[in-house]
Amino acid sequence: KQEVTQIPAALSVPEGENLVLNCSFTDSAIYNLQWFRQDPGKGLTSLLLIQSSQREQTSGRLNASLDKSSGRSTLYIAASQPGDSATYLCAVIRAAGNKLTFGGGTRVLVKP
Amino acid sequence: DTGVSQNPRHKITKRGQNVTFRCDPISEHNRLYWYRQTLGQGPEFLTYFQNEAQLEKSRLLSDRFSAERPKGSFSTLEIQRTEQGDSAMYLCASSPQDRVEQYFGPGTRLTVT
Repeated sequence: KQEVTQIPAALSVPEGENLVLNCSFTDSAIYNLQWFRQDPGKGLTSLLLIQSSQREQTSGRLNASLDKSSGRSTLYIAASQPGDSATYLCAVIRAAGNKLTFGGGTRVLVKP
Repeated sequence: DTGVSQNPRHKITKRGQNVTFRCDPISEHNRLYWYRQTLGQGPEFLTYFQNEAQLEKSRLLSDRFSAERPKGSFSTLEIQRTEQGDSAMYLCASSPQDRVEQYFGPGTRLTVT
C-alpha cells in the first residue's frame, strides 16, 4: 500500500527566505507526482506535475524534483513572499486514471 | 469560468439527516473523482468514475455513501443517516482521457451537528 509522508508538518520562515518542502513515498512504482497548494477552507490548486520519467519541473519561483529510486520529491520556492503562506500537498498516482494518494501536507507561514 | 464546480459550498446538517452534494466537472473531462479531507489531513480517495461507470470505491465509502454520475456529466454524492464523523471537506476532481493531471473544485464543507 502506498504511503506518502510530508515533513515537517508546519514551517515558518521570514519573507525572502527560500522554502524547501519534502515529500516521501514508499512505493517507487509511480506514474507521476503532483504538488498542490491549498488555502484555508479552499480547494486544491495544482502547482506542478512531474511525470515518472522526469527528474524536475519548474514554474516561475517553483521548482520540484523527483527521485523515484529514493522515493522522494522536493518542492523549492525561491524568495518566499507572505502570499506563499498556505498548505502544500504532494500526491502520487500509480497509473493514468487512478486515484491520487496524498501526504498530510506542510503548512507554511511566511512572515513579513 | 470553466473549472470544476461544487454545490453547495457549505452544508450544516443534524445527525441522522441525509445530504447530497453535486459536482460539475470541466466540460469533456470523462474522469471524475471524489475525495474527503478532514481537518489537518490530506485528502483521501473515495470513488472514481470514467464516464458513467463507477470503476473504483474506497473502503472509506461505507454503505451509507452512494455516488452516481448519470450520463457521464455531473456527479452526486449522497450520505445517508449522517454521523458527526462525516464532518469534512468533500472534494471533487476531474481529468481528461488523455491526461493524468486532476483539477479540483472548491469543495463542499459538511458540518454534522
